[in-house]
Amino acid sequence: DVKVTQSSRYLVKRTGEKVFLECVQDMDHENMFWYRQDPGLGLRLIYFSYDVKMKEKGDIPEGYSVSREKKERFSLILESASTNQTSMYLCASSHIPRTVETQYFGPGTRLLVL
Amino acid sequence: SQQGEEDPQALSIQEGENATMNCSYKTSINNLQWYRQNSGRGLVHLILIRSNEREKHSGRLRVTLDTSKKSSSLLITASRAADTASYFCATDAKPNYNAGNMLTFGGGTRLMVKP
Repeated sequence: DVKVTQSSRYLVKRTGEKVFLECVQDMDHENMFWYRQDPGLGLRLIYFSYDVKMKEKGDIPEGYSVSREKKERFSLILESASTNQTSMYLCASSHIPRTVETQYFGPGTRLLVL
Repeated sequence: SQQGEEDPQALSIQEGENATMNCSYKTSINNLQWYRQNSGRGLVHLILIRSNEREKHSGRLRVTLDTSKKSSSLLITASRAADTASYFCATDAKPNYNAGNMLTFGGGTRLMVKP
């Protein structure tokens, strides 16, 4: 079975802190994604990556950056956390580059920024 | 606005009843997927239907796709309390990125199945 893990289930940070959210997948998938999920807004794509060291902006990249140094790991970075970044963050991966296939999701990280 | 929008936003039924959720979208698609999310958890893929397919089954799930109406429905038959979750449709019709089409998710339908 595909396994996507996220470093934390719950995280509490203060405004202005730098926050790292880590995601690891064990199925050698090329594509990895970061979404945020807010009530009534569904899932919104922040960034994605289709190869090591490659990244593409999604719908809402402002205030975020990402890093993909290894194929299995995709990190989301909040350079200076703000209260409007309080949300559920979901990481996902999929296999075939540049195509739309089934995405496999991690359990999510619920981030609270005070 | 979102590419996929589910209807209803919330649905409450008794165990054993059927649950039907609908999804509408705006632009042409190559495929449409349905995902399930238990409270506070990640999404789990349920079924993918391609634009040249009209109906697909998987266990107690039945998905239909009407490309002329730009809509899809998910039917869960003989529902169980364990089916309580949010259900999302996702479409691939957003070719705005260099890497090709990406998935766009709707806001979801919250299903509650009462025992």
